[in-house]
Amino acid sequence: NAGVTQTPKFQVLKTGQSMTLQCAQDMNHNSMYWYRQDPGMGLRLIYYSASEGTTDKGEVPNGYNVSRLNKREFSLRLESAAPSQTSVYFCASSVISYNEQFFGPGTRLTVL
Amino acid sequence: EDQVTQSPEALRLQEGESSSLNCSYTVSGLRGLFWYRQDPGKGPEFLFTLYSAGEEKEKERLKATLTKKESFLHITAPKPEDSATYLCAVQRIIQGAQKLVFGQGTRLTINP
Repeated sequence: NAGVTQTPKFQVLKTGQSMTLQCAQDMNHNSMYWYRQDPGMGLRLIYYSASEGTTDKGEVPNGYNVSRLNKREFSLRLESAAPSQTSVYFCASSVISYNEQFFGPGTRLTVL
Repeated sequence: EDQVTQSPEALRLQEGESSSLNCSYTVSGLRGLFWYRQDPGKGPEFLFTLYSAGEEKEKERLKATLTKKESFLHITAPKPEDSATYLCAVQRIIQGAQKLVFGQGTRLTINP
């Protein structure tokens, strides 16, 4: 049981480049989430998917898009990366949207 | 506006020296309060969920308590392996979906 996995672990982009962060869970959870963590800011919700086929904006959605590919996978896309998107990105999942969330190991993204 | 404040920002203790971490919140429609542990370079790891004032939960050397305005994480006779950042988050239900609002964390260091 791998839990929540994220790829890549590290990434360096130039301003304006695009990329997709991948997340998968093998716990048969219905809900999935993307957060970013910045020093002094805490974890902030970018987007979430309460169930397969639905996605909604969180606190800081600008500059990001998401796709709930199936029940297991939830990807986060940066269309045109900006230095302000330098952060650590965490994916999480929960059985349903009201339960505790389980987090992946994170992707450390630097935008130059 | 929802707010979660953790104090202190950092705490350094000697092994065996008990103490408490504080999480105060101003949230309307609180459904639950979560505690997580985060080790450097890793994702948050779920510890406890508390739902109502007066509730207490324990796990090894950790005990979490909840009042109407704050939660405490008590650490009894800590060991160096308890060193980590401890995060609290309050749960709200908005339009049928769960939202977690995180505090900035308390960085705990236990010296041997």
